[in-house]
Amino acid sequence: QKEVEQDPGPLSVPEGAIVSLNCTYSNSAFQYFMWYRQYSRKGPELLMYTYSSGNKEDGRFTAQVDKSSKYISLFIRDSQPSDSATYLCAIGWGYQKVTFGTGTKLQVIP
Amino acid sequence: DAGITQSPRYKITETGRQVTLMCHQTWSHSYMFWYRQDLGHGLRLIYYSAAADITDKGEVPDGYVVSRSKTENFPLTLESATRSQTSVYFCASSESGWNYEQYFGPGTRLTVT
Repeated sequence: QKEVEQDPGPLSVPEGAIVSLNCTYSNSAFQYFMWYRQYSRKGPELLMYTYSSGNKEDGRFTAQVDKSSKYISLFIRDSQPSDSATYLCAIGWGYQKVTFGTGTKLQVIP
Repeated sequence: DAGITQSPRYKITETGRQVTLMCHQTWSHSYMFWYRQDLGHGLRLIYYSAAADITDKGEVPDGYVVSRSKTENFPLTLESATRSQTSVYFCASSESGWNYEQYFGPGTRLTVT
């Protein structure tokens, strides 16, 4: 079993839909949680990070962490075609100790 | 150009050849990193550097060599390339060293034949 599991998709939604992207993890020592967006043929860019259980909001993006279930989510409200990308979760447990998910490919159809 | 750049963007080489991938950043960040990204594995850390002349191994360092004589440059060398090193390589930098503050370069797509 991988330490971080992420559905590879692809996930295809109509413009304006609410998107839910998810990762599960197995190591209860994981301490901080990140979501990256990666456009095709580009490097990842950090969207959000959080240390605690609960929700963190930034514009149309909400990161949710449930440590008891070892489950993290990224919600995108009012999705736009420009949100079409691969989304990577990443979970850390110390300095330079990070495990990345394999990414979920999202396509938002106009 | 400001930011982090990688060269070449695409490279095809043969098994056994030495290859060097370049990374340059203009922010004067202390920390620099090399990752590889493969289908089914996600991003994996190869090496990182906390400052000039200070480097340390990541998760998958075997077959790679790094150096950092100047703060702004962090080359990655494959001393004798193997097919298993076919991958997309990303360089990143950060001021603090923490992963949540990293900025990634555009990547180098390397194919070893």
